[in-house]
Amino acid sequence: GNSVTQMEGPVTLSEEAFLTINCTYTATGYPSLFWYVQYPGEGLQLLLKATKADDKGSNKGFEATYRKETTSFHLEKGSVQVSDSAVYFCALSGGYNKLIFGAGTRLAVHP
Amino acid sequence: GAVVSQHPSWVICKSGTSVKIECRSLDFQATTMFWYRQFPKQSLMLMATSNEGSKATYEQGVEKDKFLINHASLTLSTLTVTSAHPEDSSFYICSATDFNSPLHFGNGTRLTVT
Repeated sequence: GNSVTQMEGPVTLSEEAFLTINCTYTATGYPSLFWYVQYPGEGLQLLLKATKADDKGSNKGFEATYRKETTSFHLEKGSVQVSDSAVYFCALSGGYNKLIFGAGTRLAVHP
Repeated sequence: GAVVSQHPSWVICKSGTSVKIECRSLDFQATTMFWYRQFPKQSLMLMATSNEGSKATYEQGVEKDKFLINHASLTLSTLTVTSAHPEDSSFYICSATDFNSPLHFGNGTRLTVT
């Protein structure tokens, strides 16, 4: 069945550090891939997405590239800010907006 | 932008009682709503998919009689946790879509059963 595996947290970084959160997936067919972010006390928000192989999703300085050969969709940001502190979820959709989520990675950025 | 409102945001109930959680799409007609459960420090687990006017489709392992889902209109779906027990304590999240826009999530409901 479909599944998503992402690196365990928490990830603790200093402001302006480089961020990578690894995500790999198992799926039949060609799913769409997503990164969602959950800020403290808020609901999930779509951060970025990619719908086919080699697509790069980007938003707010974050980016991730859909790599079919390695079944990965790693999230990166060149310079994190304190306001990026949140829980990040990698997810895939096999269709009909039915999402399968990874376990989530908590990011804490310190000044 | 589209907003999904979930109510209540938190609830405490006694073991054996039932609790109803509402999920409303405020500015679009949600043909499909999804209900998730999130355990502490764990991922969201899809519980069921509900389409307006029809019975919900439950994921494997989710008790239909324990978690009653009703999607009576295009703007409202409800999840009722029946005869709640402490192990039902969790964070419940709904999401909604009209398929013309991205999936929108509610802010979640934290249920504590004492």
